[in-house]
Amino acid sequence: GDSVTQMEGPVTLSEEAFLTINCTYTATGYPSLFWYVQYPGEGLQLLLKATKADDKGSNKGFEATYRKETTSFHLEKGSVQVSDSAVYFCALSEGGATNKLIFGTGTLLAVQP
Amino acid sequence: EAQVTQNPRYLITVTGKKLTVTCSQNMNHEYMSWYRQDPGLGLRQIYYSMNVEVTDKGDVPEGYKVSRKEKRNFPLILESPSPNQTSLYFCASSLSRGRTGELFFGEGSRLTVL
Repeated sequence: GDSVTQMEGPVTLSEEAFLTINCTYTATGYPSLFWYVQYPGEGLQLLLKATKADDKGSNKGFEATYRKETTSFHLEKGSVQVSDSAVYFCALSEGGATNKLIFGTGTLLAVQP
Repeated sequence: EAQVTQNPRYLITVTGKKLTVTCSQNMNHEYMSWYRQDPGLGLRQIYYSMNVEVTDKGDVPEGYKVSRKEKRNFPLILESPSPNQTSLYFCASSLSRGRTGELFFGEGSRLTVL
């Protein structure tokens, strides 16, 4: 079945450092890909998405490119801030009748001042 | 303000005592879903509903029930809770059923079953 694998955390960075969180997927069709962010004590929020190969999603300085050849959707940010500290989830959706999101296990990012 | 509201946010209960976690959305979304979040497992879908009176099982439905009598509400029912249902639960809704549909999540309900 479809699955999402993302890098283990926690990831600890200093403010202004470069961030990469790796995400790879397995899917039978052509899924849409998402990054969700969960701040402490809150629900998940959509951070960015891409719906087809080579699309780049971007928001709040974060970017991810849908790479079909490597089945990857890595999250990047050039300069992280303390306020970026959160858990980041990579997810895919095949759409169809269920509209189900399949999530990775999440990566905790801690940014230190 | 567009939102998904869950209650209670925190609950401690005992094995076998029936409980209901309510979920309500004010965005007129057709699609609603329940997920549970467990360490090392990410989020897993429990049940979903594509519209009023239409519900179906997700990946981990055992021990749960749902109902969708109104478009805005989608309660999660634990008839006889057990300790393995201790988890963080999220309700989510979406306007679109397509592959680009964004899910809007509630703030979560942390349940502990003793």
